[in-house]
Amino acid sequence: AQSVTQLGSHVSVSEGALVLLRCNYSSSVPPYLFWYVQYPNQGLQLLLKYTSAATLVKGINGFEAEFKKSETSFHLTKPSAHMSDAAEYFCAVSPNFGNEKLTFGTGTRLTIIP
Amino acid sequence: DTGVSQNPRHKITKRGQNVTFRCDPISEHNRLYWYRQTLGQGPEFLTYFQNEAQLEKSRLLSDRFSAERPKGSFSTLEIQRTEQGDSAMYLCASSLAGGRGSPLHFGNGTRLTVT
Repeated sequence: AQSVTQLGSHVSVSEGALVLLRCNYSSSVPPYLFWYVQYPNQGLQLLLKYTSAATLVKGINGFEAEFKKSETSFHLTKPSAHMSDAAEYFCAVSPNFGNEKLTFGTGTRLTIIP
Repeated sequence: DTGVSQNPRHKITKRGQNVTFRCDPISEHNRLYWYRQTLGQGPEFLTYFQNEAQLEKSRLLSDRFSAERPKGSFSTLEIQRTEQGDSAMYLCASSLAGGRGSPLHFGNGTRLTVT
């Protein structure tokens, strides 16, 4: 079975600082990995996805993630945090290409300090 | 594209009552998913449809849960004899089946509270 682990249920960064949200995966086959963002009282929105085409994936709102097989990681980063980035972020994995049956991590709540 | 619509947004019910939620996907999407999200957790897959066919159900979906998508458009999720443990956000998502891995588009969810 595939799974993802998000390290840190809460992360706080100052406005303008680097955002780093950690995700490690467990999979016996090449994984397909995703990051989603959830704003309060809303559904999830796809930030970016890794489908083996390139290890560095760029997403919306200035976010990017790097797939590192040696570290089984897919950490999400943004060079400069903005107040509007405050939300909950979920890492997710799917068993095969084109399959949207996702297994989500427990989420990381990002707080931006003015 | 009006997005995925879910109704109602909130539902409060007493234990033992039946509830039904509705999801209207993006019109051209042929796949529809139901997920459940409890407080402090990520969404958990419940079931999905391709057109009107229910292709997979999670073991989380007990006999009290039933989902339908009768004409391949909107879907309903019914919970019979609700229990307090059913309290959660129920999320619907839709996508277009295809080799490039169409992303899921989520609705804003229905929050169920069982008292």
